[in-house]
Amino acid sequence: NAGVTQTPKFQVLKTGQSMTLQCAQDMNHNSMYWYRQDPGMGLRLIYYSASEGTTDKGEVPNGYNVSRLNKREFSLRLESAAPSQTSVYFCASTTGLSGEQYFGPGTRLTVT
Amino acid sequence: DQQVKQNSPSLSVQEGRISILNCDYTNSMFDYFLWYKKYPAEGPTFLISISSIKDKNEDGRFTVFLNKSAKHLSLHIVPSQPGDSAVYFCAASGTSGTYKYIFGTGTRLKVLA
Repeated sequence: NAGVTQTPKFQVLKTGQSMTLQCAQDMNHNSMYWYRQDPGMGLRLIYYSASEGTTDKGEVPNGYNVSRLNKREFSLRLESAAPSQTSVYFCASTTGLSGEQYFGPGTRLTVT
Repeated sequence: DQQVKQNSPSLSVQEGRISILNCDYTNSMFDYFLWYKKYPAEGPTFLISISSIKDKNEDGRFTVFLNKSAKHLSLHIVPSQPGDSAVYFCAASGTSGTYKYIFGTGTRLKVLA
């Protein structure tokens, strides 16, 4: 039982490049989330998927797209990376019953 | 506009004493609150939660208190241990069914041996 896994762990991009961050959970959770964490800003919600087949914007969706590929997988895509997207990205999931979210280990992204 | 605020960026406490971490919120529609703990280079892990129908919830050394009239919650850790040294985030939700949370900026707790 791996919980929530994220790939890659680290990534360096040049401005304008694109990439997809992958997230998978093996807990049969309905809801999945993408957050970014910046110094002094806490965790901010980018997008979430309340259930398979649905996605919704969070607080800071601009510059990102998401895909809920199936119940297990939720990916985050940066189409044209900008230095302002340098951050640590966390994926999380929850059953939707208790509200407690389980987080992955994070992806540290640097855009130069 | 920060809807969930943790006004103390850091806190140092002696081992064995009580740690009190505070969190304030502005949105009276929030009805469910959680605390998370985060170690460096790891994802946050869930600690304890409280619903707005309660004013206290305990789990071992961790107790969360909710004062709805003051829009304030606090996390008490008794006794504090060096392994408790981490960043603590509070989070609040008022969107029933989607569990969409707003997080505070975090408080770094250092427990001194």
